[in-house]
Amino acid sequence: NAGVMQNPRHLVRRRGQEARLRCSPMKGHSHVYWYRQLPEEGLKFMVYLQKENIIDESGMPKERFSAEFPKEGPSILRIQQVVRGDSAAYFCASSPTTGSSPLHFGNGTRLTVT
Amino acid sequence: DAKTTQPTSMDCAEGRAANLPCNHSTISGNEYVYWYRQIHSQGPQYIIHGLKNNETNEMASLIITEDRKSSTLILPHATLRDTAVYYCIVRVEHTGANSKLTFGKGITLSVRP
Repeated sequence: NAGVMQNPRHLVRRRGQEARLRCSPMKGHSHVYWYRQLPEEGLKFMVYLQKENIIDESGMPKERFSAEFPKEGPSILRIQQVVRGDSAAYFCASSPTTGSSPLHFGNGTRLTVT
Repeated sequence: DAKTTQPTSMDCAEGRAANLPCNHSTISGNEYVYWYRQIHSQGPQYIIHGLKNNETNEMASLIITEDRKSSTLILPHATLRDTAVYYCIVRVEHTGANSKLTFGKGITLSVRP
């Protein structure tokens, strides 16, 4: 059973470009979470999605960031007009529907903005 | 979700048991205790979780005190590859907007040869 798959592993963008980060949850998981980890800092929650719905976006920056989890295909975290401060590791996690089941994380996408 | 308190760091010798403490004195009756670890540059790895009974799996054991105000993660035979930041997190059962995990600073475990 494949784990959470994130791609690309590394992404380099110039200031002002768009970054699109993809996350395929584990098989059977319908809940996806995005986290950001700035250099030398902790993991910060960004957004929680179920299929086609955003459940909690309390950690998302108000501008330039958006996330989706369509009925078919991976979840996408999109960052428009990237700035140097967006350079970070972005982790995706997934979990099954309900209960105490843990979140399982992917190995992240490392975004570097030049 | 209840807050957890962990020491900043600890070390242990390879082959010995590593006992990682965590305080969660404000834990509610429906909150679970989860442990994750993050090895440098990798994603957080789930280790174990429990509600009130002690739990054991192939990676570790989780000992939760009877009053549930603290817990200990035990790695029975630490290896160099267990060097990582370990996070103790409490969370209610997966229900809607309360489903996220909130990470603190964790404890850095260094396993020495």
